[in-house]
Amino acid sequence: AQSVTQLGSHVSVSEGALVLLRCNYSSSVPPYLFWYVQYPNQGLQLLLKYTTGATLVKGINGFEAEFKKSETSFHLTKPSAHMSDAAEYFCAVSETGRRALTFGSGTRLQVQP
Amino acid sequence: GAVVSQHPSRVICKSGTSVKIECRSLDFQATTMFWYRQFPKKSLMLMATSNEGSKATYEQGVEKDKFLINHASLTLSTLTVTSAHPEDSSFYICSASGDGYGYTFGSGTRLTVV
Repeated sequence: AQSVTQLGSHVSVSEGALVLLRCNYSSSVPPYLFWYVQYPNQGLQLLLKYTTGATLVKGINGFEAEFKKSETSFHLTKPSAHMSDAAEYFCAVSETGRRALTFGSGTRLQVQP
Repeated sequence: GAVVSQHPSRVICKSGTSVKIECRSLDFQATTMFWYRQFPKKSLMLMATSNEGSKATYEQGVEKDKFLINHASLTLSTLTVTSAHPEDSSFYICSASGDGYGYTFGSGTRLTVV
């Protein structure tokens, strides 16, 4: 069975500061890992994904994440927060890339001016 | 890029009526559709998985007679909430998956049952 834990339901940063959203996963096979962003009353937009290969994955809007197998982590970072980054962020895992995603509980990012 | 269109975006219906939500893949063939439900300030809960031409597989605790899923073509899946009640009010999101296209999400449907 697969599961995702997102530490911190709310994260607040100042504009221009580093963003770090934490995600740990559990999977019985090599995982496919994803980060999505959701704005109010909207669907999910893919930020980035890891399937195989390079463990540092770059996504849209300046976000990146690093797959660390030894730590079973896939934390999301952005060097400098922008006001438009304020949203809900979800980490997700799939064991095959074809089965349904299992989502973490989400982290709400607030960006203070 | 892959696009999934979900309609309607918002719907208000009376208790006891049925509501149909459509999810279309516009530029790829969606061999698999996933339907999720999201409660306020909560994560997404998988309701069911459907493969084109096959019956949907429902998650434990999801009433298949209340939430009817049809996936008759490679570009269209529908979720019908039958005899809706206020407790069915929620945000419903579809996700389509096809070869090489990963998971693409619709924009969601806000259902309010009054």
